[in-house]
Amino acid sequence: QVQLVESGGGLVKPGGSLRLSCAASGFTFSDYYMNWIRQAPGKGLEWVSYITGTGSTIYYADSVKGRFTISRDNAKNSLYLQMNSLRAEDTAIYYCASGAADVWGHGTTVTVSS
Amino acid sequence: DVVMTQSPLSLPVTLGQPASISCRSSQSLVHNDGNTYVNWYQKRPGQSPRRLIYKVSNRDSGVPDRFSGSGSGTDFTLKISRVEAEDVAVYYCMQATHWPPYTFGQGTKLEIK
Repeated sequence: QVQLVESGGGLVKPGGSLRLSCAASGFTFSDYYMNWIRQAPGKGLEWVSYITGTGSTIYYADSVKGRFTISRDNAKNSLYLQMNSLRAEDTAIYYCASGAADVWGHGTTVTVSS
Repeated sequence: DVVMTQSPLSLPVTLGQPASISCRSSQSLVHNDGNTYVNWYQKRPGQSPRRLIYKVSNRDSGVPDRFSGSGSGTDFTLKISRVEAEDVAVYYCMQATHWPPYTFGQGTKLEIK
C-alpha cells in the first residue's frame, strides 16, 4: 500500500539548518507531485512547498521562500526539504503528502529553540 | 490567497446524532476546468491527517458512508450522519483550486457531549 515515512527532524538553534527526508513506497513515485505541509503546536495546517514529478516546477509558501528548498530523487523514491535560516516560528510537525494531499506520512517534528 | 473560514470551531455532539461543519471561501472555488477542488481532512490526536472527501463530495476509499460532503461556489459542508466515538478529531477543509498556495480552514474540533 502507499506509504510515506518522514525523517530528519530534531532540535536546532535559530539560524540553523536541517534536512528532512520522505521515503515513498507502494506507488510509482516519479508519476506524482509531492508536497510538504506543516502544523505548528496548537495551530492549523499550513502548506509549505510543492514539486512536480520531474522536479521541473516548484512552489513555496511566502513564509519559507528563500530559506527552504524542496527536491526529490526519483531513483531513490525520496522527497527532501532543506531548511536553512530556521526560526522559532518554523517549529512544527512536517508532513510529506502525495499528489493532491491524498496520502500523508506520519510526520517528523522540528523544534527551533536556543 | 484564498481564505477558508470554518464554523463552528468547536462542535460538541451527542453520540448517534448528526454533525455539520461549514467551510466558506473568500472567492469561488470553481476551477477553469469546471471542477471544484475542495477536500476535507480528519486529524485524530497523535495521528497524521487523513483525507475523507475530495472535489467537494467524493468519499475516499475506506471512509464510512456516514461522512458526506456537499456545496458549491464558496460554501461547502461536511456532514456526519451519526457521530461515533472514533469521529473525535479536528476536521479541516482545504482548497486546491487557486494555488499556490493550498489553503486550509482553521479546523473544527469535534468532541462528544
